[in-house]
Amino acid sequence: ELKVEQNPLFLSMQEGKNYTIYCNYSTTSDRLYWYRQDPGKSLESLFVLLSNGAVKQEGRLMASLDTKARLSTLHITAAVHDLSATYFCAPLNFGNEKLTFGTGTRLTIIP
Amino acid sequence: KAGVTQTPRYLIKTRGQQVTLSCSPISGHRSVSWYQQTPGQGLQFLFEYFSETQRNKGNFPGRFSGRQFSNSRSEMNVSTLELGDSALYLCASSLVTGEGPYEQYFGPGTRLTVT
Repeated sequence: ELKVEQNPLFLSMQEGKNYTIYCNYSTTSDRLYWYRQDPGKSLESLFVLLSNGAVKQEGRLMASLDTKARLSTLHITAAVHDLSATYFCAPLNFGNEKLTFGTGTRLTIIP
Repeated sequence: KAGVTQTPRYLIKTRGQQVTLSCSPISGHRSVSWYQQTPGQGLQFLFEYFSETQRNKGNFPGRFSGRQFSNSRSEMNVSTLELGDSALYLCASSLVTGEGPYEQYFGPGTRLTVT
């Protein structure tokens, strides 16, 4: 059974700083998703990473995937308050459409 | 293109009752998945339907069931509601054909409160 470990669980950072969220998973996965969730809202798709070495960037967020290490990272550059949210990684079980979500990282950007 | 829609958005039910939630996927998407989100257990997979067939099922009791119609709309049903069923129920749709990118788009969710 696929297990996902995401850390840190909580992250409080100052505006303008850089930080990285880590997502480790236990078994083979051929796709990995990153989502953002604002309080009381649904999940907003950020990135889909399809292959080893994949790197995607959107604004101040950059995600990467290392399938050999079973590790994905979400890097935040020069954080701004609007990035405050909970971020989830979710590898897809090999061979089906089931997402297994990490515990989420609650990110708070302090002015 | 319209997104994933879920109805109702909010629901209050009493223990022992049953409830039916509805999800309309993005036009052309044939896969619909359901997830339960609670503060204690996080986001958990319930089941996935593709072309009216349940392809995958999570570790939930038989009180949780679902179906998909020929137009890809899906419903999930929870019978004999328990307090622990209070949660945000999310539906996701995906294309699942060709080269991808296999985005999974989530609806706004149905917040179920069981009293």
